[in-house]
Amino acid sequence: EAGVVQSPRYKIIEKKQPVAFWCNPISGHNTLYWYLQNLGQGPELLIRYENEEAVDDSQLPKDRFSAERLKGVDSTLKIQPAELGDSAVYLCASSPEQGEGYNEQFFGPGTRLTVL
Amino acid sequence: AQTVTQSQPEMSVQEAETVTLSCTYDTSENNYYLFWYKQPPSRQMILVIRQEAYKQQNATENRFSVNFQKAAKSFSLKISDSQLGDTAMYFCAFQGAQKLVFGQGTRLTINP
Repeated sequence: EAGVVQSPRYKIIEKKQPVAFWCNPISGHNTLYWYLQNLGQGPELLIRYENEEAVDDSQLPKDRFSAERLKGVDSTLKIQPAELGDSAVYLCASSPEQGEGYNEQFFGPGTRLTVL
Repeated sequence: AQTVTQSQPEMSVQEAETVTLSCTYDTSENNYYLFWYKQPPSRQMILVIRQEAYKQQNATENRFSVNFQKAAKSFSLKISDSQLGDTAMYFCAFQGAQKLVFGQGTRLTINP
């Protein structure tokens, strides 16, 4: 079974430029998560989708961050414009069930973003 | 809000030794899950072990076991017969009715 796929693995951009990350969850997983992981810290949830609906985006900085999950499968996370403080690893995860929130999340390899 | 605390930023042991990583959490919920994730330099978060709060028996997965103390809100991970491939960041995580909350992580190094 293929795991969560993310691309690109690395991205280097100048500040104020836009950037986008892509995630393909495990087939059949209806819940998708985007996390931000700063250096030396644990991941923090940015947004959670159930199918195509964003059910928790309370931690997403909506002035510059946006996300979409068209058709309830693939998802993209965008930053526009990027700031120096956005340099981090962006992780995507998926899980097969949603409702109680007690299920295992499967993580992708992440995208390391460097903003210069 | 739930919080997860890992008090050991770094640990280092010799190969084949046993090591225990500490984790405490704070919650008012009664039903929840606890996890230990491993994150090697490749950045892939890998689930090591999980524990359901309603189960009194401590979870075990081969060389990995936990000591779950619900009253004390403690959830430590024991790695027996440590191997070089165990070198990684280890994150303790809590999931209740809402989101998955991670601790700050412990960097574990296994020395040959």
